[in-house]
Amino acid sequence: LAKTTQPISMDSYEGQEVNITCSHNNIATNDYITWYQQFPSQGPRFIIQGYKTKVTNEVASLFIPADRKSSTLSLPRVSLSDTAVYYCLVEPTGGSYIPTFGRGTSLIVHP
Amino acid sequence: NAGVTQTPKFQVLKTGQSMTLQCAQDMNHNSMYWYRQDPGMGLRLIYYSASEGTTDKGEVPNGYNVSRLNKREFSLRLESAAPSQTSVYFCASRLQSRNYGYTFGSGTRLTVV
Repeated sequence: LAKTTQPISMDSYEGQEVNITCSHNNIATNDYITWYQQFPSQGPRFIIQGYKTKVTNEVASLFIPADRKSSTLSLPRVSLSDTAVYYCLVEPTGGSYIPTFGRGTSLIVHP
Repeated sequence: NAGVTQTPKFQVLKTGQSMTLQCAQDMNHNSMYWYRQDPGMGLRLIYYSASEGTTDKGEVPNGYNVSRLNKREFSLRLESAAPSQTSVYFCASRLQSRNYGYTFGSGTRLTVV
């Protein structure tokens, strides 16, 4: 199983860029990386997914270095509504399916 | 669109009781999943159904059974509840079994006393 490690918490201020890094040293060749956002009393919500290099969508960017042993979720210009827990997920694309979620990073955005 | 609907939202069971958690999706997704989430832990996969008619064990299947009733519905059954099964349970679905993001339900908070 891939093991994922994330910071437990982070603080930021409105308008700043936030980068959350997930370490996954034993990621397998065909594993994909996905990030989710979770608000209290809700299920996680998909943010972005990637395999290597950089992926960008309307809400975030995902940076994955060449060795793929880590990934960084980048949230540009955060607002108070971005206060949530963020999870990275490493999941296999072949073989038996045992996905590995990180334990989550609690992001608090201050005014 | 309702997305993924889970029932009930809350449940308290006594040790040894049984119950079934229901999940339905209206997005015509092929794959469905059951996860549990414990404090300070990431989500852990209990069982999944890659397509209608198939089910497979995930990381923590002991004490649970599942039924893929049809393409829309995937239920999770606890035959004899134990305090260690106190958790928040999430159902999720996605279009295909790999390389797509999940859509999660809002969860069932289960307490076993």
